[in-house]
Amino acid sequence: AQSVTQLDSHVSVSEGTPVLLRCNYSSSYSPSLFWYVQHPNKGLQLLLKYTSAATLVKGINGFEAEFKKSETSFHLTKPSAHMSDAAEYFCVVSRAGGGADGLTFGKGTHLIIQP
Amino acid sequence: DAGVIQSPRHEVTEMGQEVTLRCKPISGHDYLFWYRQTMMRGLELLIYFNNNVPIDDSGMPEDRFSAKMPNASFSTLKIQPSEPRDSAVYFCASRRMGLGYTFGSGTRLTVV
Repeated sequence: AQSVTQLDSHVSVSEGTPVLLRCNYSSSYSPSLFWYVQHPNKGLQLLLKYTSAATLVKGINGFEAEFKKSETSFHLTKPSAHMSDAAEYFCVVSRAGGGADGLTFGKGTHLIIQP
Repeated sequence: DAGVIQSPRHEVTEMGQEVTLRCKPISGHDYLFWYRQTMMRGLELLIYFNNNVPIDDSGMPEDRFSAKMPNASFSTLKIQPSEPRDSAVYFCASRRMGLGYTFGSGTRLTVV
């Protein structure tokens, strides 16, 4: 069994300041972890993924996430927020290497960027 | 590579009508997934196929929902009869073992 908890339903930051979106997971298996972004009325776009290689994962648009097994966390960060980052972000877990279970999504964090 | 293609993008139908959502996965991908997104429940896996065979349909909410994959390049999700609580965005995704998932743009279904 696996689950994902996104600790904040909404995060608001000012443009140019750092972004931190928090995610904790639980998994009976060695997990693969992902962050997806969904802009309003758009589909899901993969930001980055962790698949048991380097624990610090760099993604698109300046985002990165660090896998911390001891804390069962996979928080998403960006040094400087841009207005175009305003969107819904989903932390996702799946069994490593397996498509057999599909993906388990967190509830999402709505990122608001203040000008 | 055109990605995962879903149709229609938007569907508005009356309660009781049959609705069919369509998905064309990426060529060579052997897994196909149907997800539903609502405000209340977030993103939920409804069903997935491997090599056109349904593997796990435990997420399908009730018998009104059915999904088929007659060949490797086409899948449908059907709701009959539709109800207002079925209103949601339905996503299709595909992947090849060992590679990442690719999502379609979704179908926004409104049942009035």
